This record gives sequence, C-alpha cells and structure tokens, in this order.
Amino acid sequence: ETGVTQTPRHLVMGMTNKKSLKCEQHLGHNAMYWYKQSAKKPLELMFVYSLEERVENNSVPSRFSPECPNSSHLFLHLHTLQPEDSALYLCASSITDSTSTSYGYTFGSGTRLTVV
Amino acid sequence: GQQLNQSPQSMFIQEGEDVSMNCTSSSIFNTWLWYKQDPGEGPVLLIALYKAGELTSNGRLTAQFGITRKDSFLNISASIPSDVGIYFCAGELAQKLVFGQGTRLTINP
Repeated sequence: ETGVTQTPRHLVMGMTNKKSLKCEQHLGHNAMYWYKQSAKKPLELMFVYSLEERVENNSVPSRFSPECPNSSHLFLHLHTLQPEDSALYLCASSITDSTSTSYGYTFGSGTRLTVV
Repeated sequence: GQQLNQSPQSMFIQEGEDVSMNCTSSSIFNTWLWYKQDPGEGPVLLIALYKAGELTSNGRLTAQFGITRKDSFLNISASIPSDVGIYFCAGELAQKLVFGQGTRLTINP
C-alpha cells in the first residue's frame, strides 16, 4: 500500500466512451499530479494541482479533463480518446513548501488504459 | 525542453555484483529522486536527495546529488534477485518531475 490509490487498475474503452480515472491519497499531501507512461517513452507530466488549484497543464489535449475537488482526491475525465492515448496513467502526490520544493513524491499503481 | 540522460539503458549482471547507474541533465534541479518500477505497478521511491553534494544510503542503495545539481548516480551493492526491474531517475523543479528513460536491470542467478 503506497498511500496513493488509483481505480480502476485496468480500463478498456471505445473511442466514443466517457470514463473517469480516480486517485485518492491518504498521506496528508497538498499537491497531486497526473502522469502518462507510454511504451518506450519517459513518464510525462500532464497536470499539477497544488492546494486544489491547477497550476500546470502541460499541453494536454482537451479530451483529458482533470478535476481536484479536495486535497485528497483527483480525477481524470476521459472522452473521445484515440488509440494512441492507450498508456499507463499514474497519479502522484507530494508535500510542496513555500519554495515550491516537493517532498515525499509518491506514485499510485496506475490505471492501464486501452482505447479500442 | 528539459531532458534527463540516464545510462546505461540496460544491465545484465550476476547475482552478488554491484550496480551503478547515473543521470545527467543540462538543467539544474532542486531535488533528485530515484525510483524502481516493477511490471504493472507505479514507480516506488527508493532515495530522495534534496541538497547538492548530498550522499544518502538506503540499505544496499547509495545515491548522490551532484555538486552542479545537474547529475546524480545510484549504486546498488551485492545485487539480489529482487533487485530486478526498471530504475528511473527524476529531477524535480517547481513541483514538476522530469524522468530519465530508465535502466532495466536483469540479474543472472
């Protein structure tokens, strides 16, 4: 148990479907993140939420829509995805101080997404 | 954009051997992190380094934050079968992590 829980672990969806990925952290962290891990590519940052405000949108297509209702929960809403969006989507959390330095950067186990 | 060069990309060693891998960057980072990722799982934090020059150990693992803040290495001593996996370095700046391409470690018993 890493303290960061992601559901579902696996998801298969059609290109016209709408689905959501969920992330929950029990570490008392104040920042949460979405990363994408594709085959043969380094992990890529998608979104950053700090104190429930989005502070980074790393040029991610609008078919990915994040939501952070509180400091413990993070969602990634998916709609009209493409097959090339198939990847492992990882949630992470950390404590970020006033200098924007992050501590205890912890990842969940990820959601393996397949778009058909 | 920022990039991390992690080497080697893969290693094939005998059980009991020591392992060394490193990451370099053209950018300065506040923090260097080393993670291990097993198949189907998320990265698990092994060592976090917060100060330039810092040398930190975690059991058989030792990592250092380079003085220039642009590089880091990870050493594993006396490797065992459960060390198999992919190791990633990551540099952190303003909450964002930039990852290396990973080092795949294979151990022959």
